[in-house]
Amino acid sequence: GEDVEQSLFLSVREGDSSVINCTYTDSSSTYLYWYKQEPGAGLQLLTYIFSNMDMKQDQRLTVLLNKKDKHLSLRIADTQTGDSAIYFCAESGGYNFNKFYFGSGTKLNVKP
Amino acid sequence: GAVVSQHPSWVICKSGTSVKIECRSLDFQATTMFWYRQFPKQSLMLMATSNEGSKATYEQGVEKDKFLINHASLTLSTLTVTSAHPEDSSFYICSAPGGETEAFFGQGTRLTVV
Repeated sequence: GEDVEQSLFLSVREGDSSVINCTYTDSSSTYLYWYKQEPGAGLQLLTYIFSNMDMKQDQRLTVLLNKKDKHLSLRIADTQTGDSAIYFCAESGGYNFNKFYFGSGTKLNVKP
Repeated sequence: GAVVSQHPSWVICKSGTSVKIECRSLDFQATTMFWYRQFPKQSLMLMATSNEGSKATYEQGVEKDKFLINHASLTLSTLTVTSAHPEDSSFYICSAPGGETEAFFGQGTRLTVV
C-alpha cells in the first residue's frame, strides 16, 4: 500500500492552535482527507482537500497542501478539550476515490 | 446522512473458532465495500476491497484464506476470520463509498481471541 506518515502525539493548551502534519507518497491521489477518531468510536470525516488546491478553510479547520513536498497539514484554531482525539490523514487510492490509505494517527491531547 | 452498520460491535471467541462480522449499508446500495484493520494504538490498514457479485481484492500481505469476504448483496458484506488466533485480535472497520469525496465508515468491531 501507500505510505502515509504522521507524528504520533501532540499536546496543546486549550485556546491554542494545533497543527498536525502528514506526509504521503502517492502523487496520484486525487483527494486527501482528515478523519477524527474519539475513544471507542468510529471515524468521523473532518474535511478533505482536492489535490489541485493549496488550502481549504472550514470554520476552525484549515488544511494546507504542499503537493510538491507531498505534505498535508491540519490546523485547528482555538483548540478545545473536546478536540482531544486521534486524527488520521488519509489519501484516496489513486483511481479509486473511496479506497483509503491512512497515516498512523496523531493523538491530540488538549490540556485545560 | 448515509449509515453503515457493523455487527457485532464486539466479540470474544476462543482460539481456533471462526468469527463472522457483518457490514451493512442501511439506506443506500454499495457495490463495493472496504475492510480495514486497526491494531491497538496504530493506524487503519486496508485489508481488502469487497465486490458485490465477484471475488474480493486483497491487499498485499493479507491472507485471503484467513479473512474470507463475501459481498452477498448490494447492502451486505461479511468478513469471516477463520481459525482465529490471539494475533487476530484487533478492531475491524468497514466502509462503503459515499460518492466521489467521502466514505461512510461503520462503528467498528472489536475482536478479542482468547
